[in-house]
Amino acid sequence: DTEVTQTPKHLVMGMTNKKSLKCEQHMGHRAMYWYKQKAKKPPELMFVYSYEKLSINESVPSRFSPECPNSSLLNLHLHALQPEDSALYLCASSPGLSYNEQFFGPGTRLTVL
Amino acid sequence: AQSVSQHNHHVILSEAASLELGCNYSYGGTVNLFWYVQYPGQHLQLLLKYFSGDPLVKGIKGFEAEFIKSKFSFNLRKPSVQWSDTAEYFCAVNAPSGGYQKVTFGIGTKLQVIP
Repeated sequence: DTEVTQTPKHLVMGMTNKKSLKCEQHMGHRAMYWYKQKAKKPPELMFVYSYEKLSINESVPSRFSPECPNSSLLNLHLHALQPEDSALYLCASSPGLSYNEQFFGPGTRLTVL
Repeated sequence: AQSVSQHNHHVILSEAASLELGCNYSYGGTVNLFWYVQYPGQHLQLLLKYFSGDPLVKGIKGFEAEFIKSKFSFNLRKPSVQWSDTAEYFCAVNAPSGGYQKVTFGIGTKLQVIP
């Protein structure tokens, strides 16, 4: 299995809702990533997990809360989002943190009303 | 902080034309370089990568890229494009940043191939 899967594909939520994005990989990768991609922009790194521990938080607002329950799963919990948070949220994984290409999932298209 | 520059934001070519997309990065030390492609409605896929060794790297679907260290460049090329190459292309650099390894993407180049 060489895929990174993400659910849901699309999500529409209000500013008071709580929702979660899920990411899964079964390639034995030990590093997992969350990126945010706005229209016509490159992916921007949000969080990095290495061996299930948060390694990097790119100064992301606390309304985004990542979680790595095990080495195959990565969640992104959303609460009190703003309309400007609407974007494509990409998950990626790699064998390790350093000098390895990342495998990307298809993304979750999030719309905040 | 490292940065990645892609000079062509939107390129329109006819089928069979040759392609070259420019990419320059700012970090002066050891880097790993990548080109990713995003076909319409699909997710990011790796086209090719450079870690070390031969600076001319061959990737999937007939693409190649050349790493020129002195110019901090990693340009993507294809001798003859096809309509199916219509996609967005991102150059990316993996290099130390703020004490850890970080992948930074360029702004992307949208390629449109006309049949």
